[in-house]
Amino acid sequence: AQSVAQPEDQVNVAEGNPLTVKCTYSVSGNPYLFWYVQYPNRGLQFLLKYITGDNLVKGSYGFEAEFNKSQTSFHLKKPSALVSDSALYFCAVRDMRNYGGSQGNLIFGKGTKLSVKP
Amino acid sequence: DTGVSQDPRHKITKRGQNVTFRCDPISEHNRLYWYRQTLGQGPEFLTYFQNEAQLEKSRLLSDRFSAERPKGSFSTLEIQRTEQGDSAMYLCASSFPPRTSDNEQFFGPGTRLTVL
Repeated sequence: AQSVAQPEDQVNVAEGNPLTVKCTYSVSGNPYLFWYVQYPNRGLQFLLKYITGDNLVKGSYGFEAEFNKSQTSFHLKKPSALVSDSALYFCAVRDMRNYGGSQGNLIFGKGTKLSVKP
Repeated sequence: DTGVSQDPRHKITKRGQNVTFRCDPISEHNRLYWYRQTLGQGPEFLTYFQNEAQLEKSRLLSDRFSAERPKGSFSTLEIQRTEQGDSAMYLCASSFPPRTSDNEQFFGPGTRLTVL
């Protein structure tokens, strides 16, 4: 079954320290992977995606993610956390079960709450 | 603002009533998705449209749910005879077709439904 796992419900980081939010996936074929961020009472905002190419993907607000095929992981990283990065982060993979993924719908993890303290 | 918009933002209703939500996607996008998000969970796919055609419905979409996109622009999601279990955030997203390189989904702010 296709799925996304975010093993940490919450990640706590001090401002200025590096942060990592973990994501592992299970999907048939080559994965299309995404990270989204959700602020309170707001919709999801796209951060970055991996489709093909370089394993290190750079996205919005200084975030990047590293695709690791052997470990089936797509961890989100940022070298120096800001208090304003505190939010809910979702990893997602495109559903590839039908039509080779041409449906396009996403399968999301449960989310990880990131808390950055001053 | 040229993003995805949803209306209303909040809806409180009594069990058994019907509710309808509207989504206006980004104008150039021909794909439109509906998701449902409950507390502590990630969004779950409900259905999607390419232009006016509804091409897929998940098993989460019971017979009480219906979605339309009559002119290939805005979409509506109707829930008939609401139940307390329908309480959730309903998210709409739009995108270009997934085979294009620029195919990430852009989400609206959601409609939070509370069924009393």
